Amino acid sequence: KNEVEQSPQNLTAQEGEFITINCSYSVGISALHWLQQHPGGGIVSLFMLSSGKKKHGRLIATINIQEKHSSLHITASHPRDSAVYICAVALIQGAQKLVFGQGTRLTINP
Amino acid sequence: DAGVIQSPRHEVTEMGQEVTLRCKPISGHDYLFWYRQTMMRGLELLIYFNNNVPIDDSGMPEDRFSAKMPNASFSTLKIQPSEPRDSAVYFCASSLGRGLYNEQFFGPGTRLTVL
Repeated sequence: KNEVEQSPQNLTAQEGEFITINCSYSVGISALHWLQQHPGGGIVSLFMLSSGKKKHGRLIATINIQEKHSSLHITASHPRDSAVYICAVALIQGAQKLVFGQGTRLTINP
Repeated sequence: DAGVIQSPRHEVTEMGQEVTLRCKPISGHDYLFWYRQTMMRGLELLIYFNNNVPIDDSGMPEDRFSAKMPNASFSTLKIQPSEPRDSAVYFCASSLGRGLYNEQFFGPGTRLTVL
């Protein structure tokens, strides 16, 4: 079993829909990152969370440390939100490293 | 600011050849990260530096891979000898302070093909 699991793997929705992408992890972490990878391949860091909730524009990220779970929400989704969203966790023990989820491919149709 | 700069953007080489990938971090950033992305394994952190010193290289796949950061504005990732399974996109990223616990800025990546 992977240490970081994302769901769903693929998601297709209509413009305007509310989107939720989930990330669950099985190890102790000190921080969690959400990344966005555009169809052209470029990667952008969206959020870094260690507790609670963060909001940036139409994007909201939450984390529940006790339940080892994080969600990324997109309100009023738009075709330009189409991308792969990747969750990564910074381990709290052992080697100082990031472990990545497999990514969620989001397609927003107009 | 120019952002993180990587060169070359594309590299095609033959098995057994030496490959050198280059990265210039954002000026003033004190952390630099090297990643590899493949379809099979996704994104992987290979190695990262703080103030030019390697902090963790546990992600480096084997001795054929080496990375250096001779100064604050330049880093290299070298593969010698290269193998077809090294074909991937290699990303460099930099951040200011707090290492793995801060926002990272990614370069455009180098797409490596080893024939």
